[in-house]
This record gives sequence, structure tokens and C-alpha cells, in this order.
Amino acid sequence: DARVTQTPRHKVTEMGQEVTMRCQPILGHNTVFWYRQTMMQGLELLAYFRNRAPLDDSGMPKDRFSAEMPDATLATLKIQPSEPRDSAVYFCASGNLPGGWEKLFFGSGTQLSVL
Amino acid sequence: GNSVTQMEGPVTLSEEAFLTINCTYTATGYPSLFWYVQYPGEGLQLLLKATKADDKGSNKGFEATYRKETTSFHLEKGSVQVSDSAVYFCASLPRMGGGNKLTFGTGTQLKVEL
Repeated sequence: DARVTQTPRHKVTEMGQEVTMRCQPILGHNTVFWYRQTMMQGLELLAYFRNRAPLDDSGMPKDRFSAEMPDATLATLKIQPSEPRDSAVYFCASGNLPGGWEKLFFGSGTQLSVL
Repeated sequence: GNSVTQMEGPVTLSEEAFLTINCTYTATGYPSLFWYVQYPGEGLQLLLKATKADDKGSNKGFEATYRKETTSFHLEKGSVQVSDSAVYFCASLPRMGGGNKLTFGTGTQLKVEL
């Protein structure tokens, strides 16, 4: 089965450290999303890419977060410096859009704890 | 703007009980509506969808009907099982404006006990 792969599954770090989360989208998918899940806010869209180009990153704190797609098989989300309020589960999702919303696939997430 | 409101959880039911998880939306025009399910330790999976008023989405015994008049898309199942324990998310995708952005509710945790 094709799946979206995220690494690491868990990350514990100290405040101020750099954190890099990686996502391997499903081969052939043209759109990649990054979401953040917290108890208080639920699922928030941070950024998304179409054909590797960033289309919208308005949900992302610009001063510390950055998202890139260096190639079609890798998307990265970086936090520098990290803060305790960044503790959350970060999900990557990929699909062929527009039109293929019923085939949007989510990875299992990276659970980030910033101490 | 676009938003989705779900009932708060957790919802705790006995096996074979009837399930309803309420979801209402606000949007410009008539969005497509979705229910996603998140099992422990996993990402979200699409459970069912409806793209226009009065459509009924169904899958794995779950159903939801797109009600334009009440702007609702409540999730129902006649007889839940322990394996249905998960977090359920309602989501909307606007047709006009908002780009290709799914707006999710905050999720409702369902716990089914024997």
C-alpha cells in the first residue's frame, strides 16, 4: 500500500534547539500539506505545496518556522528556535489536487515535545 | 469565514449503542463536507464525504447527510463496536474562495466499551 511516511515519529528536544521534520509524500502526488494538531486548536493548516512550489504558508509563524520541498520525494518542516508552545503532533498529507480530495493521505505524524 | 464546529468529547458508549456526533459548518456557498477518522497512533483517514445538499455519505456502517437548511453534517452509526474507538473529525472544503484548504473541526474522541 502506498503511504505517506513521516520521520521521526517522536522528538523530544529542549527549548532553543532546531527541529527538522521530514515527510515522504506518495509518489505521483502533486500537493503536500503540513498540519499541526493540538488539544486546544485541533488541526491547523501550516503550509502547502503544489508541484513543489509553496502556495500558502499563512498558517505558519514566519519567524521560526520554514517549510520546503527540496525534491518531489521530500518535504521538510523546520523550527528554529523551538519553543515549548510548539509541542504538538505535526502531520503531513499528500494528494493529487484539485479534485482528488477523497484520496488525500495523511502520515502518522511526528509528535514533538519541546521542554 | 469558513469554520466547522463539532460536539466536544469524549463520547463514551457501550458496544452496540447508537452513535451521533454533531457537526455544523459555516461557509460561503455550499462546501463539500467530510468525516475523517484518526485511530490511535495513526494519521487521519477519510471516512465518508458528501458534495451537495441532501447527499448521504456512508462507509463502514457510518452515515452522514448534508443538510443545507441546518448547515449540518452529523455522523451516525446504528451499532458501534470497540474497534470504532478513535477521534472523528468533521471538515469542509469551500467551493468559492478559501483555496484548496480543508477546514477541520477540533475532533471528537469516541470510546466504545464492552
